[in-house]
Amino acid sequence: NAGVTQTPKFQVLKTGQSMTLQCAQDMNHEYMSWYRQDPGMGLRLIHYSVGAGITDQGEVPNGYNVSRSTTEDFPLRLLSAAPSQTSVYFCASSYSRQGYTGELFFGEGSRLTVL
Amino acid sequence: TQLLEQSPQFLSIQEGENLTVYCNSSSVFSSLQWYRQEPGEGPVLLVTVVTGGEVKKLKRLTFQFGDARKDSSLHITAAQPGDTGLYLCAAYSNYQLIWGAGTKLIIKP
Repeated sequence: NAGVTQTPKFQVLKTGQSMTLQCAQDMNHEYMSWYRQDPGMGLRLIHYSVGAGITDQGEVPNGYNVSRSTTEDFPLRLLSAAPSQTSVYFCASSYSRQGYTGELFFGEGSRLTVL
Repeated sequence: TQLLEQSPQFLSIQEGENLTVYCNSSSVFSSLQWYRQEPGEGPVLLVTVVTGGEVKKLKRLTFQFGDARKDSSLHITAAQPGDTGLYLCAAYSNYQLIWGAGTKLIIKP
């Protein structure tokens, strides 16, 4: 069972470079989200989607873009990477369309370093 | 801003000891979840509590939701090295999950 798959697992960028973190789930979940995790700060929501074609901002959206063209995929784009975006990024999905009642299923994370 | 405060931030104990970690807030929540995260992996749900005063048990782990639904505790009996990990609490508010910063637990053999 694949669940939530994130790629790449590790990435090093230079300031100003762009990249896309990929996320795919095979559970037919309507709700998908991106979090960043920094030491001592817990998980912070970047963007989320309640279904294909629908996205919305979370707590820390600046510097990140998302799109949801299919139920399965929810890529996160960094347009111009900054050192402040060095973090571990997690993609998570849920059965619930609004994500507010159910279990979140997480990927294994993508560790990003911006030099 | 609604906050979930977890304590302690870090706990290191010997195998076989008991421990309790806490998740506190000044806000009332409709439900609260506990997740465990192991190094290099994403968090995994342990339990969801919904009713004030609710107690749920998962083997040696006992979870309690406060009567006023503002706080929760996790008690581990006879801790084992396999319990090592980051324990996160999360609560739903306005259809989104709010996360605590976590308690890092190390159980030494």
